[in-house]
Amino acid sequence: DAKTTQPNSMESNEEEPVHLPCNHSTISGTDYIHWYRQLPSQGPEYVIHGLTSNVNNRMASLAIAEDRKSSTLILHRATLRDAAVYYCILRHRMDSNYQLIWGAGTKLIIKP
Amino acid sequence: DGGITQSPKYLFRKEGQNVTLSCEQNLNHDAMYWYRQDPGQGLRLIYYSQIVNDFQKGDIAEGYSVSREKKESFPLTVTSAQKNPTAFYLCASSTGPYNEQFFGPGTRLTVL
Repeated sequence: DAKTTQPNSMESNEEEPVHLPCNHSTISGTDYIHWYRQLPSQGPEYVIHGLTSNVNNRMASLAIAEDRKSSTLILHRATLRDAAVYYCILRHRMDSNYQLIWGAGTKLIIKP
Repeated sequence: DGGITQSPKYLFRKEGQNVTLSCEQNLNHDAMYWYRQDPGQGLRLIYYSQIVNDFQKGDIAEGYSVSREKKESFPLTVTSAQKNPTAFYLCASSTGPYNEQFFGPGTRLTVL
């Protein structure tokens, strides 16, 4: 079964880079890696996704290992507003449809 | 403003009663999804619909039902057959199965 493993929580100082790791050793060749984040009592928000190559957008960067069994979400300069639960997710193909397989996420704590 | 609305934000029901959660989107998205989230956990897929008048069961469909009569609406009914209905329910939509999902603010259902 496709699944992801993340640390339960991480702490970082404000205005410093943050590296959030994710293991997905059972990933299949067609699974995309997605990251979402969720603030308390709100719906999740899309952050970034990728397949094999590293990806950058205005919110973050995604570094994917060459064997695709792990990835790292990089927040280049964390602010207090980045405090959230970050989910590493596999977009997995099941029959003719795709599903997002969610893990328990990493709670990111930002210290001022 | 385009987006997804869920109502109500908080809902209380007595055990044994059916309850319907509303989800509306004006993003012109074809695909819509319902997830359940329990405290400290990731999201689990209940039902999804890729197009009007069609929907598929997710991982935990038992005790739930949906309809997709209009593109912009995807209501979820929590029936009395659902053993542990108290949870945070999230609705999402996307342009298609390959694309990022946009989430509503969620409905917190408490069954007394």
